[in-house]
Amino acid sequence: NAGVMQNPRHLVRRRGQEARLRCSPMKGHSHVYWYRQLPEEGLKFMVYLQKENIIDESGMPKERFSAEFPKEGPSILRIQQVVRGDSAAYFCASSPSQTYSNQPQHFGDGTRLSIL
Amino acid sequence: DAKTTQPNSMESNEEEPVHLPCNHSTISGTDYIHWYRQLPSQGPEYVIHGLTSNVNNRMASLAIAEDRKSSTLILHRATLRDAAVYYCILRDAFSGTYKYIFGTGTRLKVLA
Repeated sequence: NAGVMQNPRHLVRRRGQEARLRCSPMKGHSHVYWYRQLPEEGLKFMVYLQKENIIDESGMPKERFSAEFPKEGPSILRIQQVVRGDSAAYFCASSPSQTYSNQPQHFGDGTRLSIL
Repeated sequence: DAKTTQPNSMESNEEEPVHLPCNHSTISGTDYIHWYRQLPSQGPEYVIHGLTSNVNNRMASLAIAEDRKSSTLILHRATLRDAAVYYCILRDAFSGTYKYIFGTGTRLKVLA
């Protein structure tokens, strides 16, 4: 998993607070994907971004969740007014392009969010 | 993307080969077969992918059935560090599909 950097690795928040999860893609990669994994389940796609553009956010909850990938800096997944059900592992992946989507995505080690 | 079916769990002895099966009877002609594994407390790690021909890399081999309705991930000599959940995922290469749809995978236990 070297290359895709996520921080923090662990994040604890109280209900109602905001959580910010950061992802720096692999060098040379301009496509970022966020996935969420609930305990004992597989990963679920949330959002796909390119620099300064959200391409597909069909997996994002309609409220409280947002994502960005600015021209400079990491991609940010933001969760406002967190609730207990937001407790999960959030993974970021990156790829160089999507010209042909046989290219694999490379994942970070995730941020484990716990809501008190 | 077509669905895949994998056994929930498998066991293997250390230093023996492991064959992890995956059924994908509704695979389309442009679906690539991707394999990832997830070690405890880590993100998914890319293992291998292929379309029609068998593929080899430093981590594993991928054997694809002639009709492409099934495939097998082969770990040639299992080590304790290979204990992980292995995911078989199909993804269409030419429709612009980019997201992976993860199932529950196969949990591999390696016995010392």
